[in-house]
Amino acid sequence: EIVLTQSPATLSLSPGERVTLSCRASQSVSSYLAWYQQKPGQAPRLLIYDASNRATGIPARFSGSGSGTDFTLTISSLEPEDFALYYCQQRSNWPLTFGGGTKVEIK
Amino acid sequence: EVQLVESGGGLVQPGGSLRLSCAASGFSFSSYDIHWVRQATGKGLEWVSAISTAGDTHYPDSVKGRFTISRENAKNSLYLQMNSLRAGDTAVYYCARSIAPRTNAFDIWGQGTMVTVSS
Repeated sequence: EIVLTQSPATLSLSPGERVTLSCRASQSVSSYLAWYQQKPGQAPRLLIYDASNRATGIPARFSGSGSGTDFTLTISSLEPEDFALYYCQQRSNWPLTFGGGTKVEIK
Repeated sequence: EVQLVESGGGLVQPGGSLRLSCAASGFSFSSYDIHWVRQATGKGLEWVSAISTAGDTHYPDSVKGRFTISRENAKNSLYLQMNSLRAGDTAVYYCARSIAPRTNAFDIWGQGTMVTVSS
């Protein structure tokens, strides 16, 4: 099973700041990595798939990069609605696995 | 509107069974791989099962042999039969659609249905 490790667990930031979230895989997942945003009481929302492809309707301030074992989700300038939990997920191997999440909170 | 709506959750005793359903609308259900993903309260996401358009199924070891995913394309419906339930299966269960064939990133999610395993 591929283990995804997200860091940091929590980020305390202010609106307008640039955010970089990390996801590291225990073995190569090629570019088969997705990012999700989840707010309390809601289902997750797909942001990025296959490392760098924005899903439909996702603002351009969200971008993804990386390949192999190291991946990054960047939010260029935090909006108030971006404070949430973020998960990565790999689809390279069965079983599909998620990272433990990074919480982006208001400073 | 493209949507998935889960139902069938509830309270069940350890060792019991439950069948979840997921009704799809607004898209060609038979053309998409569909998954179940669960989330225990305050915890992260855990993928539970997948079924392809061809009916191929996959499970993690944590549920293999206890859970069975199935689909009925004529009814635009997905199911999850859960047997031998344990306290650790307590979670919100979401159905989710793969964004494209053999591209298992989930672009459409239901609102979830709560399963509680407790005596």
